[in-house]
Amino acid sequence: GAGVSQTPSNKVTEKGKYVELRCDPISGHTALYWYRQSLGQGPEFLIYFQGTGAADDSGLPNDRFFAVRPEGSVSTLKIQRTERGDSAVYLCASSLTTGRGETQYFGPGTRLLVL
Amino acid sequence: KQEVTQIPAALSVPEGENLVLNCSFTDSAIYNLQWFRQDPGKGLTSLLLIQSSQREQTSGRLNASLDKSSGRSTLYIAASQPGDSATYLCAVDNNNDMRFGAGTRLTVKP
Repeated sequence: GAGVSQTPSNKVTEKGKYVELRCDPISGHTALYWYRQSLGQGPEFLIYFQGTGAADDSGLPNDRFFAVRPEGSVSTLKIQRTERGDSAVYLCASSLTTGRGETQYFGPGTRLLVL
Repeated sequence: KQEVTQIPAALSVPEGENLVLNCSFTDSAIYNLQWFRQDPGKGLTSLLLIQSSQREQTSGRLNASLDKSSGRSTLYIAASQPGDSATYLCAVDNNNDMRFGAGTRLTVKP
């Protein structure tokens, strides 16, 4: 079946603008995760959802970042007043549940460049 | 806070060599540890997942070990091939809070 998809694959924006990044998880996966990966670094946890609710948003760096998953499937990561430091690859992953040992399946990421 | 370190940061080997990638973590209270592969411009592919109660997992030419008490894991790749060239990431799961190392960038020369 289809894997995790993310759109757009690349996004270039200007400092101060608002952006939305979309993630389509694997069908039937109840858990969805967002990560941010800077150049030369491993992914950094941002937030995860179990169903429609954000179970843990402790990784969001500040209140300019927000994510939703209104119907328990597609999720949107929203960044307000973008800054150059927000430039990174934003990765989404999904898993069947949030139980121990559940493998997370990653999408290809959205490469965000803030000029 | 969990810290994950991977050594070396980069590794270049000739085709056919066996090699070991290292991962260490500071908090041994983990649920599991995973090794991922990341190709340039791509997402992550899970290679092996070791539960906290397990000592090792094997898949084909890959073998991953886990010593939770010492906070270490190794990924052993046998008979390396040019197609193995990628970045290998180690990640530890503390109750759905997955922490990644910075990765080891592997190049296998034909």
